[in-house]
Amino acid sequence: QQQVKQSPQSLIVQKGGISIINCAYENTAFDYFPWYQQFPGKGPALLIAIRPDVSEKKEGRFTISFNKSAKQFSLHIMDSQPGDSATYFCAAVVNDKLIFGTGTRLQVFP
Amino acid sequence: GAGVSQSPRYKVTKRGQDVALRCDPISGHVSLYWYRQALGQGPEFLTYFNYEAQQDKSGLPNDRFSAERPEGSISTLTIQRTEQRDSAMYRCASSSTGVGGYTFGSGTRLTVV
Repeated sequence: QQQVKQSPQSLIVQKGGISIINCAYENTAFDYFPWYQQFPGKGPALLIAIRPDVSEKKEGRFTISFNKSAKQFSLHIMDSQPGDSATYFCAAVVNDKLIFGTGTRLQVFP
Repeated sequence: GAGVSQSPRYKVTKRGQDVALRCDPISGHVSLYWYRQALGQGPEFLTYFNYEAQQDKSGLPNDRFSAERPEGSISTLTIQRTEQRDSAMYRCASSSTGVGGYTFGSGTRLTVV
């Protein structure tokens, strides 16, 4: 009930391509869905977030698509760059508590 | 401070010893969270505070783990009688709103030998 399932585990994309990471959840009490980006040796940093009453949110090259009925949401990174290479975590919030997905290691090659 | 500060950065301890991990949140942040992150995994919730009140400790693995935030600012996570399975990165985060907009510290890497 509290889990957030994330896929794929790893992703290799060529520079300029689109990176897509998917997440699914079961608990309908989740009320906020952030994505975090983590570089090696650093803590996770908030990237973009969405509330369940919105189907899409775009910030620069990053877009969250949210499907409430399917209980799924995804992160799209347009025009992926080598500097985007990092681990990405989806998360969901319930009762002020962040529940993280298992992470996706993204590598963008020039 | 400018960010969330955790100390020590690295801690190696012998099995059976007690350890105390410290977190200094961003000044003025009401909420403080403790997470544990195993290598290659997402952070796992341990406990959180609003001001000095511990709101949720459901993620603490067992009664060897405890946390406090006595003055509503700095927090300490204590692990008693450490075991090898306690080895992990322990991360602290703070938030002004509590709505997922956390700022994480760089963590304390705990190794129990």
